[in-house]
Amino acid sequence: ELKVEQNPLFLSMQEGKNYTIYCNYSTTSDRLYWYRQDPGKSLESLFVLLSNGAVKQEGRLMASLDTKARLSTLHITAAVHDLSATYFCAVDMSGTDKLIFGTGTRLQVFP
Amino acid sequence: DGGITQSPKYLFRKEGQNVTLSCEQNLNHDAMYWYRQDPGQGLRLIYYSQIVNDFQKGDIAEGYSVSREKKESFPLTVTSAQKNPTAFYLCASSIGGSGTEAFFGQGTRLTVV
Repeated sequence: ELKVEQNPLFLSMQEGKNYTIYCNYSTTSDRLYWYRQDPGKSLESLFVLLSNGAVKQEGRLMASLDTKARLSTLHITAAVHDLSATYFCAVDMSGTDKLIFGTGTRLQVFP
Repeated sequence: DGGITQSPKYLFRKEGQNVTLSCEQNLNHDAMYWYRQDPGQGLRLIYYSQIVNDFQKGDIAEGYSVSREKKESFPLTVTSAQKNPTAFYLCASSIGGSGTEAFFGQGTRLTVV
């Protein structure tokens, strides 16, 4: 059974600071996705990581994938309030299209 | 416009009733998904379908049923056997098999009254 775990579950950080969210998964996969969810809203796709060593960046967010360690990271650089949201990673079980989500990390950025 | 449409946005159900949530996509995607989200929680997979006329159970399929008679439609029925159906339900679709991301509808908030 595929399990996807994120940590931390909750992150409160000051504007301008850096931090990293971690996503671990339990089975072989080379497809990992990051999503953002604002309160009461649906999910918005942020990054698609499809191979070992993949790195994607958009603004203050950078995602990476290490398939050997079964680990992905989402790094936040110089946080701003607009980044406050819940971030989910999701893993696609190889060959099945079964898409399993992590527990989510709720990020709050304060002045 | 291309996208995924879920309806209704809000739904109220009396205990013991079955209700059906609609999900339609015009993205020509093969794979479709249903997830349940409880307040402050993550997404749990109910059912998914890779092709028409085929679907697989996810992690919490008990009390739910689906059909996939058309490529663009993947309705979810919440049956009376689902003991705690109050939740936010999200439908998604993807090309499938290609490593592209899934796109989500706006969700249906179901409340049992």
